[in-house]
Order: sequence, then structure tokens, then C-alpha cells
Amino acid sequence: GAVVSQHPSRVICKSGTSVKIECRSLDFQATTMFWYRQFPKQSLMLMATSNEGSKATYEQGVEKDKFLINHASLTLSTLTVTSAHPEDSSFYICSASTDSRNTIYFGEGSWLTVV
Amino acid sequence: GESVGLHLPTLSVQEGDNSIINCAYSNSASDYFIWYKQESGKGPQFIIDIRSNMDKRQGQRVTVLLNKTVKHLSLQIAATQPGDSAVYFCAENRGRTGGGNKLTFGTGTQLKVEL
Repeated sequence: GAVVSQHPSRVICKSGTSVKIECRSLDFQATTMFWYRQFPKQSLMLMATSNEGSKATYEQGVEKDKFLINHASLTLSTLTVTSAHPEDSSFYICSASTDSRNTIYFGEGSWLTVV
Repeated sequence: GESVGLHLPTLSVQEGDNSIINCAYSNSASDYFIWYKQESGKGPQFIIDIRSNMDKRQGQRVTVLLNKTVKHLSLQIAATQPGDSAVYFCAENRGRTGGGNKLTFGTGTQLKVEL
């Protein structure tokens, strides 16, 4: 079964609104979670690294005020897309990692459509 | 900048044949590599990994080869089946000093299995 769960799997929101996507580790404590964005027929692009109890680290070119990340516990990280626009429509995927750097689990992804 | 890339965007093979998917990387500091399979609309699924102190690793029907001299990685799938049809990504982990468990993904190869 899945060890990393994302919710919702699909969401449609109106332009200008905010939407929150959750990433949960089900069977382990994730000290670090990662958020990726993937456009159709393209690769996964890392957006940010989410560390429990501290601020997220954003990749170059990713607006931290637009993509708010909160990692309040060892099993939950949330990504909030604020003031969403149609160009934010994408597949958002999280991964979770324990202290062992070889243990990286991916969620099933969340489809965001902004209309 | 440094990146992980693939030689072939699409690979078509006959059912039962062997498939070889290639990946080139440019960061000599990368010490851990992973191959993922991604089916349409789903998150990446771990296939096999290899550390830089190895040049070959075998799994069930899959083999990963690593050539550090030319910075080349390949995934071999034996007796390819229709269920193997998906996009395959290589990913590199540059180690804790280079970013913890962050993965940099290649551009992906679409594998199509023809009956």
C-alpha cells in the first residue's frame, strides 16, 4: 500500500483563489518532504524542500509567497497555491524521506486545474 | 547548468524484446542514482537504484548499469511486457553535502511496447 498519501488527488479551483494540497507519510516519520511540479509530457521539477519545524527551502525561480509550504509535523506537509492562475495548473507531487537518504517515497500526485 | 538528460525521448519495442533506456548526467559529484517508472496520471514508482561505487545492479527483469567514466546510466528491461509501457526517468541524488535527499530528474523516456 501507499506509504505517502496526497490529498486531494484532483482539484479544480477558480482563478484568484487559494488551494491547499496535503502530503502525509503514513508509516514513518518524514523529517524532509519535497514538492515537485510536473507539466504534461515534462519531467518533475523540484519546487521546494520542506523540513519539519523550519522554513522551507525554495528552488531558484519558485515564488515562496505564492507557493506556501508548511511542515508542521513529522507526517504532514502542505502546499498552498495562493492566488492561483491558469498557468499554475499542473501535477503536483510530493516525496518524503526519512533520515536515511536512500529512503525516498513518492505520493500519487495531485492534479490542479485553475479555471 | 548541470543536469541529468536522456538520449531518446521515445522508445518503441516489441513485446518480449529487451529494452534499453539511457541517461547521461553531468554532475561528477552525484553518488546515487535511481530509475523511476511513471504511468499516466500517477506518481513516480521506484524501479531500481545504484550507488556510484557500483557499476551494475540487477533486479527482477531490470538491470541498471553505471559508467562513471562517461557519466552514463542505463536501464535494461528484459522481456518487455505491455505493462512496462510508461515514462521512465533517471534521477540523481547529489548526497547530503549537495542537497540532502533532493533528486534531480532527467527529461524522461516514453517506452511503448508493441504487441
